[in-house]
Amino acid sequence: GQSLEQPSEVTAVEGAIVQINCTYQTSGFYGLSWYQQHDGGAPTFLSYNALDGLEETGRFSSFLSRSDSYGYLLLQELQMKDSASYFCAVGNNAGKSTFGDGTTLTVKP
Amino acid sequence: EAGVAQSPRYKIIEKRQSVAFWCNPISGHATLYWYQQILGQGPKLLIQFQNNGVVDDSQLPKDRFSAERLKGVDSTLKIQPAKLEDSAVYLCASSLAGTSVYNEQFFGPGTRLTVL
Repeated sequence: GQSLEQPSEVTAVEGAIVQINCTYQTSGFYGLSWYQQHDGGAPTFLSYNALDGLEETGRFSSFLSRSDSYGYLLLQELQMKDSASYFCAVGNNAGKSTFGDGTTLTVKP
Repeated sequence: EAGVAQSPRYKIIEKRQSVAFWCNPISGHATLYWYQQILGQGPKLLIQFQNNGVVDDSQLPKDRFSAERLKGVDSTLKIQPAKLEDSAVYLCASSLAGTSVYNEQFFGPGTRLTVL
């Protein structure tokens, strides 16, 4: 089966940098994705890593270490609108995705 | 391009009643997913279609849940009879590629189901 662990809550201040970690267990690992979900909204795709290393997209970056079954999402220059839940999701080579339970990020002024 | 459409947005029913949800994926997307998201948890995959065939339904409670995707486009998810623990948001998502390649999933707004 597939399982993921990520912190349930993170708090940071505007302008700061925050890192949300994700460890996973899966067979046939294909890639790790990150999604953002605002209260009452639908998840929206942020990033995807299939290979080791850092992927940067604007203020957001995502890192993967396949040997450690570990990844993280890095959010820089935090803004109030970044307050949301962030989910890591692991995909396997059968095309199946399993989502973690999410990390609630609260950005304070 | 138009996003994933779902209806209804909200539904309130009593336990043991039946309910159906509808999803229209993004045009051209071969893969369609139904997820159940209970408050405070991540989306849990119920069923995954590749065109009109089922790829994975291992977590679908088949004694009460059913889903179909006729003609490989629209899909319906049905619950019959509903239980209190079915109260959740039901999310439909679609992606472009087939099962051998992981691709970005586009989610619809969801249907919030309350079972009383």
